[in-house]
Amino acid sequence: DAKTTQPTSMDCAEGRAANLPCNHSTISGNEYVYWYRQIHSQGPQYIIHGLKNNETNEMASLIITEDRKSSTLILPHATLRDTAVYYCIVRVQDSNYQLIWGAGTKLIIKP
Amino acid sequence: NAGVTQTPKFRILKIGQSMTLQCTQDMNHNYMYWYRQDPGMGLKLIYYSVGAGITDKGEVPNGYNVSRSTTEDFPLRLELAAPSQTSVYFCASSLWGSTGELFFGEGSRLTVL
Repeated sequence: DAKTTQPTSMDCAEGRAANLPCNHSTISGNEYVYWYRQIHSQGPQYIIHGLKNNETNEMASLIITEDRKSSTLILPHATLRDTAVYYCIVRVQDSNYQLIWGAGTKLIIKP
Repeated sequence: NAGVTQTPKFRILKIGQSMTLQCTQDMNHNYMYWYRQDPGMGLKLIYYSVGAGITDKGEVPNGYNVSRSTTEDFPLRLELAAPSQTSVYFCASSLWGSTGELFFGEGSRLTVL
């Protein structure tokens, strides 16, 4: 089972910052948080990942709480093309290091 | 670079038929994966490979087989198709395993009737 909990859906106005929360209260100290998104049943697209520190790239920012039990993905200026399902994933620390995917958050950007 | 290419994009099978989903990548990635995605759900790992000649089972391997004879290709074989295998199948590759970025194909939508 997925180790993360996300809201089923969210709305955001175009041009505003979209903040997507994720709870991962059972995360272990050496497990990373990954974010992917999937636009209209296309193949998922990598966004960002982090361990403890906040991370930023050209697509988004990832804010991880100090206790690491939750995180927030921030899309700073959402556009209509950001409408997608966003997946928060904890990389399970086992011998295979595989990703366990949940159902994600459906983010709808409104004009 | 084409990235990860999957064929076919769509296929309808009858119960009991067999078929192979093709996946090829041109990024010289060692790691390759096959996932399935059922409606409204996340992805589930079927099989993965860490290099040519090496494959291993994921979460849901029953009813499927894979091979990895070259770095580029990672075909998924469905034997004796069942309605429960109706799904969208995604192939992915990565350079550093799941530690780094996974690159996905566009998916293959399979219906078993």
